[in-house]
This record gives sequence, structure tokens and C-alpha cells, in this order.
Amino acid sequence: AQSVTQLGSHVSVSEGALVLLRCNYSSSVPPYLFWYVQYPNQGLQLLLKYTSAATLVKGINGFEAEFKKSETSFHLTKPSAHMSDAAEYFCAVSGPLGAGNMLTFGGGTRLMVKP
Amino acid sequence: SAVISQKPSRDICQRGTSLTIQCQVDSQVTMMFWYRQQPGQSLTLIATANQGSEATYESGFVIDKFPISRPNLTFSTLTVSNMSPEDSSIYLCSGGFTDTQYFGPGTRLTVL
Repeated sequence: AQSVTQLGSHVSVSEGALVLLRCNYSSSVPPYLFWYVQYPNQGLQLLLKYTSAATLVKGINGFEAEFKKSETSFHLTKPSAHMSDAAEYFCAVSGPLGAGNMLTFGGGTRLMVKP
Repeated sequence: SAVISQKPSRDICQRGTSLTIQCQVDSQVTMMFWYRQQPGQSLTLIATANQGSEATYESGFVIDKFPISRPNLTFSTLTVSNMSPEDSSIYLCSGGFTDTQYFGPGTRLTVL
């Protein structure tokens, strides 16, 4: 069984500040981990993914995430927030066969960016 | 990456009616998935659709309510049957590739 917990349903940062969105997972098998972003009235866009290669993963729009097995975490960061980063962010986990298996999503974190 | 389209993008329906949502992938995929996103909530998997076999439904979802077709490797449909206001949600499809799922833009359904 797999599960994902995203700490903080709402996160607010000032423009230019560090973005940190937290994700912890539970998995009985080696996980594949994903971050998706959902802009208002749009579908989900893949930000980045961890598939058992490098533990520090770089994604689009300046985001990156680090897989820490000992902490069962996959937190998303960006050094400097832009107004355009305001969106809903979802962390997800799947089994070792990759996303051909089902994804289990966290509850989501709404990121708000203040000018 | 892959491009996934859905039709319709949104609809307003009367209770008791049915709506069929179409999902088209720009390349062949073995597995397609259908999710529901209720207002302000995360995504919940409805079912997995493999070409050439019956869809596999998650707990709480049944074929009579959400029949799915998967006629080929690039297309699937989800029907929401005998709708009630509780079915008002965003319905998203995705295509399962080797190590990633790509999502369509979603269908925003409102049931009156």
C-alpha cells in the first residue's frame, strides 16, 4: 500500500522568497515520486519525477526536489518565487513499474505568492 | 511528453441524465486512467482502462455508474450515468507511459 502526505494545505510566500512544499510518502516497495502543478481551470502538468536515478531531481520552471529515503520525503523547492508560481501542487507516488501503475496523490498544497 | 485532449471541456447537465467524456492521446499507451477531482479536493482514481480488457474499478466506483470504453490504444471514454449534484466534479484522464503519467485538461461537470 502507498500513501502521500502533503504538510500544509496552503502555503504563502512573498515574491522572491524560497518556496518549500513538503511531501512525505509511505510505500512498501521502491517508489517512483512525482510533483504535478495545476493552474486554475487547467489539468495537471508534470513538474518533475524521481524514478530511482539521481536523488536530486530538477524540473521545469526552476523547481527541484530531493528524494530522501531515510526521511521518506520528496520536498519541492524553488529558490525564488514568482507570481506565476501561484497554483495547486500535488505530490504523487507509484510502484516500481512506474506510472504504468496507479498514482496515489497527496491532498495538494495551494501556493500563494504575495507581491 | 504526450498531448492528451478531452471533450467536452465543461458541461452543465440535469440530474438523471448521462454524459460521456472522451479522452484522446497523441501516441499509443497500454494503460489509461480516469480520475475524479471534487471541488477543492485532490484526485481520486476511478478506474484503469486497458485496451482489450474490462476496466478495473477502484473501491467506491462501479461499472453501472461509470462505464468505460477503451476501443484502441489512443482513445477512451468515461460515462457518468444517472447523474446527481454529487457528481459535480472535474474528471481527468491520463495516459500511462513507461515512467510517467500525463494528464488531460479535465472536464468540468456541473449537475443541477
